[in-house]
Amino acid sequence: AQSVAQPEDQVNVAEGNPLTVKCTYSVSGNPYLFWYVQYPNRGLQFLLKYITGDNLVKGSYGFEAEFNKSQTSFHLKKPSALVSDSALYFCAVRDEGSSGDKLTFGTGTRLAVRP
Amino acid sequence: GAVVSQHPSWVICKSGTSVKIECRSLDFQATTMFWYRQFPKQSLMLMATSNEGSKATYEQGVEKDKFLINHASLTLSTLTVTSAHPEDSSFYICSARVVRPGQTSYEQYFGPGTRLTVT
Repeated sequence: AQSVAQPEDQVNVAEGNPLTVKCTYSVSGNPYLFWYVQYPNRGLQFLLKYITGDNLVKGSYGFEAEFNKSQTSFHLKKPSALVSDSALYFCAVRDEGSSGDKLTFGTGTRLAVRP
Repeated sequence: GAVVSQHPSWVICKSGTSVKIECRSLDFQATTMFWYRQFPKQSLMLMATSNEGSKATYEQGVEKDKFLINHASLTLSTLTVTSAHPEDSSFYICSARVVRPGQTSYEQYFGPGTRLTVT
């Protein structure tokens, strides 16, 4: 079975400060990891993914995430937050060895960036 | 590339009626599409996996006779909520799997969602 945990319901950060949104996962095989962002009443937008290779993955809008196998984590980061980054962020995982393409999503973390 | 559209974006219907939601991949062919349901302030719940030309695979607890899924072409999947009731009111989101040559893993691209309100 595969699962994802986003331990923080909300993250508050001041504009210009670095931000981190936490994600830990559990799979039986190798993980495929994804971050998505959702704006109000909208679908999800793909930010970045980790499949293999460099543990530091760079994605859209200046976001990056670091895969840490020993800690089973895939935290989302950005060096300098913008007010427009305020949204709901979802981490998702798929077990490489699983059949089908089912993604399991975390419960989401709301990011609030104050001016 | 990899744009997914949904129609309608929002719909209000009366209890007992049926509603059809369309999901289209605009610039690619999607052999597999997914239907999710999202309750307010909650995560996405996968309802079913839709494969072109075959029956959808429903997740445990999802009524296949209530949520009819058809994936008749490589660019269109439809979700029909039959005999809708107020408890079916939700945000329904579809996604399509993008498969790129030489890649072994697939990300999903999501539609903008459909807000269904049953009165």
